Amino acid sequence: GENVEQHPSTLSVQEGDSAVIKCTYSDSASNYFPWYKQELGKGPQLIIDIRSNVGEKKDQRIAVTLNKTAKHFSLHITETQPEDSAVYFCAASIPPTGANNLFFGTGTRLTVIP
Amino acid sequence: EAQVTQNPRYLITVTGKKLTVTCSQNMNHEYMSWYRQDPGLGLRQIYYSMNVEVTDKGDVPEGYKVSRKEKRNFPLILESPSPNQTSLYFCASSWGSGEQFFGPGTRLTVL
Repeated sequence: GENVEQHPSTLSVQEGDSAVIKCTYSDSASNYFPWYKQELGKGPQLIIDIRSNVGEKKDQRIAVTLNKTAKHFSLHITETQPEDSAVYFCAASIPPTGANNLFFGTGTRLTVIP
Repeated sequence: EAQVTQNPRYLITVTGKKLTVTCSQNMNHEYMSWYRQDPGLGLRQIYYSMNVEVTDKGDVPEGYKVSRKEKRNFPLILESPSPNQTSLYFCASSWGSGEQFFGPGTRLTVL
């Protein structure tokens, strides 16, 4: 199966600064890369995703970039706010089961310091 | 409200005592999955189902069973729980091509 590595495991930033979380994957057939945010006591929630035919995607303060050659993708959060504090997971999926069969990274605990 | 529900939310049990964690979704999703979350390991898929009566193993299926007799329900069964199954469990559902919607989680402790 797929192996997804995620770094760093913890990240602290000052409010207003940017945060970057990086993931690598092992299987070149992977074609769907979502990012999930997990708040304390809740289930993960999708915040952004990207497919292998796209190199970058933005949604307000959040962006994801994908480098298929290097097999890595990154989450960028700009102008961080205290409510961005959470655990973030990257994931990858391989056809044909696709998005239903996700392989997750080990998570990054982001703390935004007011 | 569109949601995935799990019951119970918390469960403490003893080794070998069969248990079932229920999962239900009201979004008419075809796909449902079970994950376990452990510190430092992220989320690992246990089983998934692409439709009624269609289930398949994920990464860590040993010691678990599932069934999908109705589209909305996907129970997770531990027939003889062991302490290494102490974990946080999540059920999820999706249309299959994108976002998975996760339930609130079930924290299981096996003594």
